[in-house]
Amino acid sequence: GENVEQHPSTLSVQEGDSAVIKCTYSDSASNYFPWYKQELGKGPQLIIDIRSNVGEKKDQRIAVTLNKTAKHFSLHITETQPEDSAVYFCAASGYSTLTFGKGTMLLVSP
Amino acid sequence: GAVVSQHPSRVICKSGTSVKIECRSLDFQATTMFWYRQFPKQSLMLMATSNEGSKATYEQGVEKDKFLINHASLTLSTLTVTSAHPEDSSFYICSAKREGMDTQYFGPGTRLTVL
Repeated sequence: GENVEQHPSTLSVQEGDSAVIKCTYSDSASNYFPWYKQELGKGPQLIIDIRSNVGEKKDQRIAVTLNKTAKHFSLHITETQPEDSAVYFCAASGYSTLTFGKGTMLLVSP
Repeated sequence: GAVVSQHPSRVICKSGTSVKIECRSLDFQATTMFWYRQFPKQSLMLMATSNEGSKATYEQGVEKDKFLINHASLTLSTLTVTSAHPEDSSFYICSAKREGMDTQYFGPGTRLTVL
């Protein structure tokens, strides 16, 4: 089955800095890669997603890049704000179900 | 929008009792719903996939007789934890997706505590 590795597990940045979270996947059949933000005690919220026919996608301060050959995809957050502090999960899907990475706790200090 | 609700948000029960959790898609029809379990500081673990009108498909290691899933309509799925024990205490989260679409929309989760 699919295996998704996510790094780093914790990321601390200063407000205004950029943050990058990286994931790798194992199944070349996976074709859909969402990113979720989860705040404490809440359900995951979709923040951006990308499909395998696209290399990059941007939505304001958030961007995702995908390298199908290397089976890597990354989340980029620019101009971080304290409210960006949360746990971020990457996921990969090829057959309806999602396989999640272990999560990255992002801490943005004012 | 794509809003998914869960009820209750928190439940505390005694060991041996059963607990039902509801998951509803409020503004779209969800042909497929998923149930996840999440332990503190860990990732989401898929328990089962349910398609409207069909029996749920359980992931390996998940006891189908203990975690009963019903998906009777295009907007409602329920998870019943039968004969709950303290080790069943966890955060249970559902998600839903439209037919033919990849995106899963998650509910706010249900915190189950079994005493």
